[in-house]
Amino acid sequence: SAVISQKPSRDICQRGTSLTIQCQVDSQVTMMFWYRQQPGQSLTLIATANQGSEATYESGFVIDKFPISRPNLTFSTLTVSNMSPEDSSIYLCSAGTVYGYTFGSGTRLTVV
Amino acid sequence: QKEVEQDPGPLSVPEGAIVSLNCTYSNSAFQYFMWYRQYSRKGPELLMYTYSSGNKEDGRFTAQVDKSSKYISLFIRDSQPSDSATYLCAILDFGNEKLTFGTGTRLTIIP
Repeated sequence: SAVISQKPSRDICQRGTSLTIQCQVDSQVTMMFWYRQQPGQSLTLIATANQGSEATYESGFVIDKFPISRPNLTFSTLTVSNMSPEDSSIYLCSAGTVYGYTFGSGTRLTVV
Repeated sequence: QKEVEQDPGPLSVPEGAIVSLNCTYSNSAFQYFMWYRQYSRKGPELLMYTYSSGNKEDGRFTAQVDKSSKYISLFIRDSQPSDSATYLCAILDFGNEKLTFGTGTRLTIIP
């Protein structure tokens, strides 16, 4: 199964700023996914990132707030823009196949 | 109604006990069924996946699927303190390759 490196692992950011989270996969994958997880809660899908096309966002998430890049088959970034304290959460990337998706270790974001 | 409902827990059992974790789902299009384990401050780790009704064993873990009832379970035999984690069921719609997660069950195995 794919191995995913995600960074940063944590950050504390000022409101109004932006943070870009990077996700590197050790093998080529077609689809990558970005999730948000509130502490003690389940995972909510933000968007699906396909190489060579625009990301597909889930209801409640928009490109202006969470722009995503997918420049090749092993890498993706998620930017959290114009942050507010409500954006404080854990952000996770995921990749793999229908036989199992691997997750990064997550980025713990605190907005102050 | 949520697409995937999971017994919320938390669940605390003594070491050596058999643990049963359960989810129900509503969408018949769901075709792949997975269980993830998540330790504190870590990403979810895939434990098991299956796509057919019946049981699938892997060591101390058994995944059970009943498509007619839209019910899935994970059984842990001879539970160990290292099994203490949050367990998430996840169900895949093969058509769009999206996973839908249950809310998770926090499990504590008491030595």
